[in-house]
Amino acid sequence: ETGVTQTPRHLVMGMTNKKSLKCEQHLGHNAMYWYKQSAKKPLELMFVYNFKEQTENNSVPSRFSPECPNSSHLFLHLHTLQPEDSALYLCASSQSSGGGYEQYFGPGTRLTVT
Amino acid sequence: AQSVTQLGSHVSVSEGALVLLRCNYSSSVPPYLFWYVQYPNQGLQLLLKYTTGATLVKGINGFEAEFKKSETSFHLTKPSAHMSDAAEYFCAVSDRVNGGSQGNLIFGKGTKLSVKP
Repeated sequence: ETGVTQTPRHLVMGMTNKKSLKCEQHLGHNAMYWYKQSAKKPLELMFVYNFKEQTENNSVPSRFSPECPNSSHLFLHLHTLQPEDSALYLCASSQSSGGGYEQYFGPGTRLTVT
Repeated sequence: AQSVTQLGSHVSVSEGALVLLRCNYSSSVPPYLFWYVQYPNQGLQLLLKYTTGATLVKGINGFEAEFKKSETSFHLTKPSAHMSDAAEYFCAVSDRVNGGSQGNLIFGKGTKLSVKP
């Protein structure tokens, strides 16, 4: 595997389910990110991790819970989601979270909440 | 606060025509600037970036962008459009400060490029 991978690519879940999204980067980077991409809205930064430490939580509801066990893996745990949470969830990584470092994106997980 | 404005949510060009996608930014300090492309059902792919030095930046797939400080712009161009260029394009800005929220990318709303045969 190369680059940034995300699993699953598609997920349909009910509002009472609990599921997790997984992201893995094979680039030796130290920073990882979760973004939400909804139709007709700009990319929304959700969480930032730098060297496994969370450095940013962009006012994300607690029904989204991130986990970063090491610099290569990032999870997003989901529970009691709402239909408006349906979106494409993108993971990205960069050498560091400092300015100027380009971010490399995974293909995303298309989430549908029913 | 930083922000990015992409003029035109949809741009349509004929194959072989010039592509011009507009991006204006606001930043309190000299910024880092990026263009990304997103093909259907895929993540974002870096096209090019400006950090310092030459203001005309060349990227992949024949795209280039010019940083114009006086106009706070970073427009993306390609001399001759190809059918495979049809995608959504995102401009992004990042402050020149290491660490914390000031280093994060702020994205524009995107411009969807259509290429007519």
